[in-house]
Amino acid sequence: KQEVTQIPAALSVPEGENLVLNCSFTDSAIYNLQWFRQDPGKGLTSLLLIQSSQREQTSGRLNASLDKSSGRSTLYIAASQPGDSATYLCAVRPSTGDDKIIFGKGTRLHILP
Amino acid sequence: AAGVIQSPRHLIKEKRETATLKCYPIPRHDTVYWYQQGPGQDPQFLISFYEKMQSDKGSIPDRFSAQQFSDYHSELNMSSLELGDSALYFCASSRDTHTEAFFGQGTRLTVV
Repeated sequence: KQEVTQIPAALSVPEGENLVLNCSFTDSAIYNLQWFRQDPGKGLTSLLLIQSSQREQTSGRLNASLDKSSGRSTLYIAASQPGDSATYLCAVRPSTGDDKIIFGKGTRLHILP
Repeated sequence: AAGVIQSPRHLIKEKRETATLKCYPIPRHDTVYWYQQGPGQDPQFLISFYEKMQSDKGSIPDRFSAQQFSDYHSELNMSSLELGDSALYFCASSRDTHTEAFFGQGTRLTVV
């Protein structure tokens, strides 16, 4: 059974710092991995999608990497800003016949002004 | 660009009542997913549809049912509502299982 784990559960860093969020998954049989952002009480905004054949994706100050064989992904945020404060969720799409998106429990990020 | 549309955005129901949540996927997306997110929780998978057929089922109570219609919109029907059903309900769509999934803004259901 695929399980997705995110570490740390919460993180507070001063504005301007670079930071890394971690995601691990137990089964490497995935189509892709997606990082989402969620503001309190709001919807899920897709940040980056990495296909299983890819190693990384970049969008602005965000860079996501994927090491499928070891079951790990990282989301790197450069030059953090207070507006980056949110919960970041990692999710995988299994390639084992399950038609679902499996989420981690998220990392609550707080950027200190 | 068109996004996933969910309606209503907010819904208040009493215990034992019935609720119907609607989801309109992005055009040409034939896969729809439903998720339930309780306070402080990660999204929990309920059910998915591909080409109007149920493709996977998660921890969806027997009191809930869902379907995808010919125009690809989907509805989640919830009966005999309980206080514990209060949550954010999200719908997502994608072109297929290999491509990016996009989520709607959710329906906040409050059962009183």
